[in-house]
Amino acid sequence: AIRIVQSPSSLSTSPGDRVTITCRASQDVSSYLAWYQQRPGKAPNLLIYAASSLQSGVPSRFSGSGSGTEFTLTINFLQSEDFATYYCQQYHTFPLSFGGGTILQIK
Amino acid sequence: EVQLVESGGGLVHPGGSLRLSCAASGFNFRTFGMSWVRQAPGKGLEWVSVISGSGENRYYSESVKGRLTISRDNAKNTVHLEMSNVRAEDTAVYYCAKTGGYCIGTTCYNPLDVWGKGTTVTVSS
Repeated sequence: AIRIVQSPSSLSTSPGDRVTITCRASQDVSSYLAWYQQRPGKAPNLLIYAASSLQSGVPSRFSGSGSGTEFTLTINFLQSEDFATYYCQQYHTFPLSFGGGTILQIK
Repeated sequence: EVQLVESGGGLVHPGGSLRLSCAASGFNFRTFGMSWVRQAPGKGLEWVSVISGSGENRYYSESVKGRLTISRDNAKNTVHLEMSNVRAEDTAVYYCAKTGGYCIGTTCYNPLDVWGKGTTVTVSS
């Protein structure tokens, strides 16, 4: 099974800041990686697919990059509604797998 | 509007059984794979299972293989997760999710693009 290591596990930051979250896969997943946002008590929401493609309706301050085994999610100019938990997920190989999550907290 | 609504969660004793359902609407159900993803209290997301649009192909995580069974009824736009011999570690919110089909050039990508609100399963004596 492909293991995904996501870092950092939590991040204290301020509105207006820029943040970067990283995921490293234990095997090459090409560009079959997605990023999700989950607010407390809510279902996850797809942000990025194909490593760098923005899902329809997602603000352009979100961006993704990478391929192979290393990927990043960048959020520019953090807004209050961005303080949530973020997960990456590989869908290259079954079983599918998620990273452990990154909690964005207000400093 | 594309919508997924889960049902069937509840309290079940260890070793017992439960059937979760997910009703889909707003898209051509039979053409998309469907997954179940769970989240234990205070924990991260764990993918559980997927079934192809036709129902021919099914995959499971190692932690549930042999105990949980995914199925679908394309006539009723519904996907199910049969849970048997449940354990305390199966306690979680169970989400139903639609597999998207996004093609860039000749390569197609299948993230989980629509999620239900989830149904809670508690395994306890």
